[in-house]
Amino acid sequence: SAVISQKPSRDICQRGTSLTIQCQVDSQVTMMFWYRQQPGQSLTLIATANQGSEATYESGFVIDKFPISRPNLTFSTLTVSNMSPEDSSIYLCSVVVNEQFFGPGTRLTVL
Amino acid sequence: SQQGEEDPQALSIQEGENATMNCSYKTSINNLQWYRQNSGRGLVHLILIRSNEREKHSGRLRVTLDTSKKSSSLLITASRAADTASYFCATTGRGSTLGRLYFGRGTQLTVWP
Repeated sequence: SAVISQKPSRDICQRGTSLTIQCQVDSQVTMMFWYRQQPGQSLTLIATANQGSEATYESGFVIDKFPISRPNLTFSTLTVSNMSPEDSSIYLCSVVVNEQFFGPGTRLTVL
Repeated sequence: SQQGEEDPQALSIQEGENATMNCSYKTSINNLQWYRQNSGRGLVHLILIRSNEREKHSGRLRVTLDTSKKSSSLLITASRAADTASYFCATTGRGSTLGRLYFGRGTQLTVWP
């Protein structure tokens, strides 16, 4: 199994600012995944983060808006840049260790 | 897009009744998973069914998969108030990287005591 922690658990931010979300896993994994869940909606994959290479973004998501770092096999960050109220969502990281595990999420509200 | 669709979007039942949720998807898959989410919190993995499987059981859960119809169902038997949550199906596309999931819209299940 895998235990995933995320920081912060929630934040309220002003329009135009940026927030970096951290994800820590208790085991080494090759790939980490970042998902977004907009209010009342389902989850959408933002990008796949591989250690030692650039993240792979899904259609509709770009690196300038959601830069990702993956400095080692247990840690990743997702930055939400130049935020607008439409970025208000829960952001979750995820890994696959036999089965897929999700972090508790970061609830972001942009005013 | 592989995005799955669940129906119903909302389901309200009494404790002890069975709850059935359906999911449809659009493209070929490697597997399909069901997740539960309580009140906007983290996701809990319930069950995974592979594309070559037709039915799987886990406790009070029964999942079926019909790849010819590109659909799956989740049955929760003898429901409890604690089963109240949102339920999502998620697929991994054939040939896709494990971990890249495409989620359906979800069914909000309410179980009344």
